[in-house]
Amino acid sequence: EAAVTQSPRNKVTVTGGNVTLSCRQTNSHNYMYWYRQDTGHGLRLIHYSYGAGNLQIGDVPDGYKATRTTQEDFFLLLELASPSQTSLYFCASSVGQGGSYEQYFGPGTRLTVL
Amino acid sequence: GDQVEQSPSALSLHEGTGSALRCNFTTTMRAVQWFRKNSRGSLINLFYLASGTKENGRLKSAFDSKERYSTLHIRDAQLEDSGTYFCAAGASSGSWQLIFGSGTQLTVMP
Repeated sequence: EAAVTQSPRNKVTVTGGNVTLSCRQTNSHNYMYWYRQDTGHGLRLIHYSYGAGNLQIGDVPDGYKATRTTQEDFFLLLELASPSQTSLYFCASSVGQGGSYEQYFGPGTRLTVL
Repeated sequence: GDQVEQSPSALSLHEGTGSALRCNFTTTMRAVQWFRKNSRGSLINLFYLASGTKENGRLKSAFDSKERYSTLHIRDAQLEDSGTYFCAAGASSGSWQLIFGSGTQLTVMP
């Protein structure tokens, strides 16, 4: 069973705050993704990576940075958090590229920006 | 326009009954995944299909790439089936990304 973990599970910060969301996968997958999910919408891709040191821009990257430090670890950075970034964030991994391979999701991080 | 159209947006079922969720695609997709977001917000993989049908317990899913749709059938619904169900698909050409439907909020009532 593929395993993806996220931390923290819940985070509250203030406008202008600095937040780092962490994701780790122990599946030896090459691809990792960060999504956000808002009520009434499907998941939207923020950033993704196909290996350590690589970063690719997704559909909604504004206000977010990301870094893939190792094959296992992918971080999402909000350096000046805004209330519009209040959302549920999911990390995922897959052995191959995007929609051609099954993606495995972490449990999610609920972020609230006051 | 949206490439993945999911319906219905909300569905209420009584325990023991069943129904189907559907995703229509505006372009040819190479594979589809179905997920359930539970009450804790976790996203649970239900199915991954590149073609045909798969069944797991009370759930059954079908994917027809040529006809551009996928379905998720739920039978003998239980209270714990409540949650938001998402389909997501990968396009056969152009963007390779996984494109999500907007979700179906399922409520199972006693």
